[in-house]
Amino acid sequence: TQLLEQSPQFLSIQEGENLTVYCNSSSVFSSLQWYRQEPGEGPVLLVTVVTGGEVKKLKRLTFQFGDARKDSSLHITAAQPGDTGLYLCAGVAGTASKLTFGTGTRLQVTL
Amino acid sequence: KAGVTQTPRYLIKTRGQQVTLSCSPISGHRSVSWYQQTPGQGLQFLFEYFSETQRNKGNFPGRFSGRQFSNSRSEMNVSTLELGDSALYLCASSFDPNYNEQFFGPGTRLTVL
Repeated sequence: TQLLEQSPQFLSIQEGENLTVYCNSSSVFSSLQWYRQEPGEGPVLLVTVVTGGEVKKLKRLTFQFGDARKDSSLHITAAQPGDTGLYLCAGVAGTASKLTFGTGTRLQVTL
Repeated sequence: KAGVTQTPRYLIKTRGQQVTLSCSPISGHRSVSWYQQTPGQGLQFLFEYFSETQRNKGNFPGRFSGRQFSNSRSEMNVSTLELGDSALYLCASSFDPNYNEQFFGPGTRLTVL
């Protein structure tokens, strides 16, 4: 069974702070995705990283895929209250329609 | 373009009953996947359908089943409900199984009493 462990599980920070969320596995994935889920809604795809060592930036969010394609990180610069939510990483090992989700990181950003 | 719709949004059942959940994918999408989300186990893959055929199945008992219709709409059924089946059931659609982006619906919140 492929497992994706995320850390930290919970993060409560103030607006303007920086943070990093980690997603680690002992398995290799062909690609890795990051989602954000808000209460009462389904997860929304933020990014897909495919190549080992790849770095993608989405405004204040920076995503990195590990060289060995077993781990990934999400860094948020100058967090805002709108960043509050559950962040999920998801590994793709075969078909992109069968995702292995991480354990999740719940982020709360307060004023 | 309408997103993925799931019905009903909320459902309360008692142990031993059965339940059917429905998912309508985005127009033009032919692949539908189902996931179960619980506080303890997180998001777990249930099954995936493409062109009315189940392509993949997760590690769930046979009480969990599904199907896909010719218009790509999908249903999942859970028989002989147990308390542990209480969860948010999410449906995701994509153009085809190899397309890298899935779009999730809002989910059906099932409570088993």
